[in-house]
Amino acid sequence: SQELEQSPQSLIVQEGKNLTINCTSSKTLYGLYWYKQKYGEGLIFLMMLQKGGEEKSHEKITAKLDEKKQQSSLHITASQPSHAGIYLCGAAPNRDDKIIFGKGTRLHILP
Amino acid sequence: DAGVIQSPRHEVTEMGQEVTLRCKPISGHDYLFWYRQTMMRGLELLIYFNNNVPIDDSGMPEDRFSAKMPNASFSTLKIQPSEPRDSAVYFCASSLVQGAGETQYFGPGTRLLVL
Repeated sequence: SQELEQSPQSLIVQEGKNLTINCTSSKTLYGLYWYKQKYGEGLIFLMMLQKGGEEKSHEKITAKLDEKKQQSSLHITASQPSHAGIYLCGAAPNRDDKIIFGKGTRLHILP
Repeated sequence: DAGVIQSPRHEVTEMGQEVTLRCKPISGHDYLFWYRQTMMRGLELLIYFNNNVPIDDSGMPEDRFSAKMPNASFSTLKIQPSEPRDSAVYFCASSLVQGAGETQYFGPGTRLLVL
């Protein structure tokens, strides 16, 4: 069965610094989602990637799916306290398959 | 749009008691998903519905768990009897269609603590 591994599991970054979170799949992906979860709250959709090599940006957050469609990275530029939370990647091997999620990366931003 | 609504937001109960979690999906969404999130196992899909019909319940941990969707605007997840290991955050999500091509919208979750 497909597994998603996220790294690092947790990250502490000084405000203003850049950071990268990775999501690696054991199988080729149809589509990959990035969600953000604020502590104690639900998941908020950030972006979805489908094409190999695709890159999308939203404000200071950029996500990329590699050419082989088995790994994605989420990059935050000039981090702010509002970026703190848990970042989850979700994916499915085929269009109609149910989406599974990684265990998340806990991001803390130090003022 | 109010988004996905879940109730209660927090539930504390004693082992052996029945627990019922409720979800109202976004209007017009044909798919409804129930997830469970724990530190150890992360986010797990328990069951999902299409047009009120359960499609895949392979993630339901055991017979103590049951889910229903009597109409397009309401679903319940019931645990009877509850056990301490059921303590987790339970999320409901809805989407227009199923699969990797569609965004799922999540509710705020219900934090369940079974003592």
